Amino acid sequence: DSGVTQTPKHLITATGQRVTLRCSPRSGDLSVYWYQQSLDQGLQFLIQYYNGEERAKGNILERFSAQQFPDLHSELNLSSLELGDSALYFCASSLGGGGDEQFFGPGTRLTVL
Amino acid sequence: GENVEQHPSTLSVQEGDSAVIKCTYSDSASNYFPWYKQELGKRPQLIIDIRSNVGEKKDQRIAVTLNKTAKHFSLHITETQPEDSAVYFCAASPLNSGGSNYKLTFGKGTLLTVNP
Repeated sequence: DSGVTQTPKHLITATGQRVTLRCSPRSGDLSVYWYQQSLDQGLQFLIQYYNGEERAKGNILERFSAQQFPDLHSELNLSSLELGDSALYFCASSLGGGGDEQFFGPGTRLTVL
Repeated sequence: GENVEQHPSTLSVQEGDSAVIKCTYSDSASNYFPWYKQELGKRPQLIIDIRSNVGEKKDQRIAVTLNKTAKHFSLHITETQPEDSAVYFCAASPLNSGGSNYKLTFGKGTLLTVNP
């Protein structure tokens, strides 16, 4: 157990819908990262937050947004869902943001029907 | 942006043999190179990492080598065991001077199977 929690574990929804994925980092970690893992695209970095502020952006679609709250938990919002958004979404956390080990959560499996 | 190529995509070895997985990267600004192991249905876990100021790092049966000139780095696993069977991902990231901007680009992964 990495200490990073993610909810829900599984999510099944329809195209066009909106969902919110939640992540709680390890106690004391200030950075949260979101990744998307799919069979065709592999593991892709989406976005990083550090102590409430966005710090790095990867291949995140405009339909997706994220935020980190004062208690350091983070939410990833996915809207206007498409079939291709079906994937495993991981959250990771690290103590700081500069090359500290990232600890991954168990992931949320999103299925868009 | 950064592009990380990883080879081979699958690797099958006999227990006790060595396994080598190779990655190349494109961005000369990258200076942090972690390796992750992901067992089926589980989360990625960091197994070893290397920074650009060193050429080799070892941790028991696992070692990573880095050639910054050639922009490639490799994972070496010696005396493989069945529990080493998993998907292994390499990654590369630049670190800005403040160290707070950390953007991993992953390779596509290598499925390692260790046969008893």
